[in-house]
Amino acid sequence: QQQVKQSPQSLIVQKGGISIINCAYENTAFDYFPWYQQFPGKGPALLIAIRPDVSEKKEGRFTISFNKSAKQFSLHIMDSQPGDSATYFCAASIKAAGNKLTFGGGTRVLVKP
Amino acid sequence: DAGITQSPRHKVTETGTPVTLRCHQTENHRYMYWYRQDPGHGLRLIHYSYGVKDTDKGEVSDGYSVSRSKTEDFLLTLESATSSQTSVYFCAISGHTGESNQPQHFGDGTRLSIL
Repeated sequence: QQQVKQSPQSLIVQKGGISIINCAYENTAFDYFPWYQQFPGKGPALLIAIRPDVSEKKEGRFTISFNKSAKQFSLHIMDSQPGDSATYFCAASIKAAGNKLTFGGGTRVLVKP
Repeated sequence: DAGITQSPRHKVTETGTPVTLRCHQTENHRYMYWYRQDPGHGLRLIHYSYGVKDTDKGEVSDGYSVSRSKTEDFLLTLESATSSQTSVYFCAISGHTGESNQPQHFGDGTRLSIL
């Protein structure tokens, strides 16, 4: 049973456009929601993270929106650049339970110049 | 880099053979994790460690064992490799400050092929 569902599986966006990736979770005990960016041949790298007491968090061109009642959260990449082409993973964990991450299935983003 | 080294980076082996993957960290972090990455599944937790000699199972632990005899090393062993264990394996580390765990940082992975 996949506790974190991520969509879409892939995404093509023009340079300067907005990329939006959505995730939904089932376990209401999750209290930490990070997003990871992964380039081919590399491990995932933490991009941005949010806690459920905050509805939005912005870091540069990356914004997380969080809807606790709907059990959904999303990543927006503003002014997308070719260098943003990568696979993005949402994840969730329970901090008091060893911070074990449950990942979504991933979204491959291609930014066309 | 977060001071994580995985070895080997690539390995090809045959069904039924034992395989050990190593994760070495230089950050003195308390927590260490092993994940496997397969298309469409994201990363799934195999085992994790919350201290020397303290380990626990993750979501997909069947067929895997781990050991942590010192803070810096976390070993993942496939006792008798099967083709279903062909995957990319990632190690991650995480520190701990008070009641708050720090984010996980990942190594660059080991690509394991079992023929």
